[in-house]
Amino acid sequence: AQSVAQPEDQVNVAEGNPLTVKCTYSVSGNPYLFWYVQYPNRGLQFLLKYITGDNLVKGSYGFEAEFNKSQTSFHLKKPSALVSDSALYFCAVRGYQGGKLIFGQGTELSVKP
Amino acid sequence: NAGVTQTPKFQVLKTGQSMTLQCAQDMNHNSMYWYRQDPGMGLRLIYYSASEGTTDKGEVPNGYNVSRLNKREFSLRLESAAPSQTSVYFCASSDWGAVYNEQFFGPGTRLTVL
Repeated sequence: AQSVAQPEDQVNVAEGNPLTVKCTYSVSGNPYLFWYVQYPNRGLQFLLKYITGDNLVKGSYGFEAEFNKSQTSFHLKKPSALVSDSALYFCAVRGYQGGKLIFGQGTELSVKP
Repeated sequence: NAGVTQTPKFQVLKTGQSMTLQCAQDMNHNSMYWYRQDPGMGLRLIYYSASEGTTDKGEVPNGYNVSRLNKREFSLRLESAAPSQTSVYFCASSDWGAVYNEQFFGPGTRLTVL
């Protein structure tokens, strides 16, 4: 069965510091991986995806993610965090049927000034 | 383009009452999805519709029914609401069939069942 794990419920970083939000996955076959962000009282917004090709994927708002097949990881990164990056982040993997997405439980990112 | 719209934004029900959550998308997507979001559990798929005229169960379908009214609209019905259905419900759509099928989400419906 396919699954996604986000090992940290919360990540705290200081503004200007680099940030990493971790994600590991378990799939049969090639993984299609996604990151979404949710701001308070809003729906999810797509950030980036890995389908194939370059292991470093660049997305919206300066975020990027590194796909590592040997470690089955897809960590979200940003070189310099902003207070406005504070939000809930979800990693997801595409399911087998109907374009379904299987989500991790989410990681709360808090960026302090 | 409005993207994915959901109505209502908020709803309070009493146990046993019924209601329908409405969802519409204007992106001509063929696939639509209903999720519920509960603290610490991420998003869990309730039902999905891969294409107009088809619906399938997701991870947590019990207590819900869906209708794919046409290509644009996908509704979720609670026939007899229970407190365990208190949650935030999100509708999403995607262009399934293409490899790059990120989903687009609506703003959500916050439902409380007393």
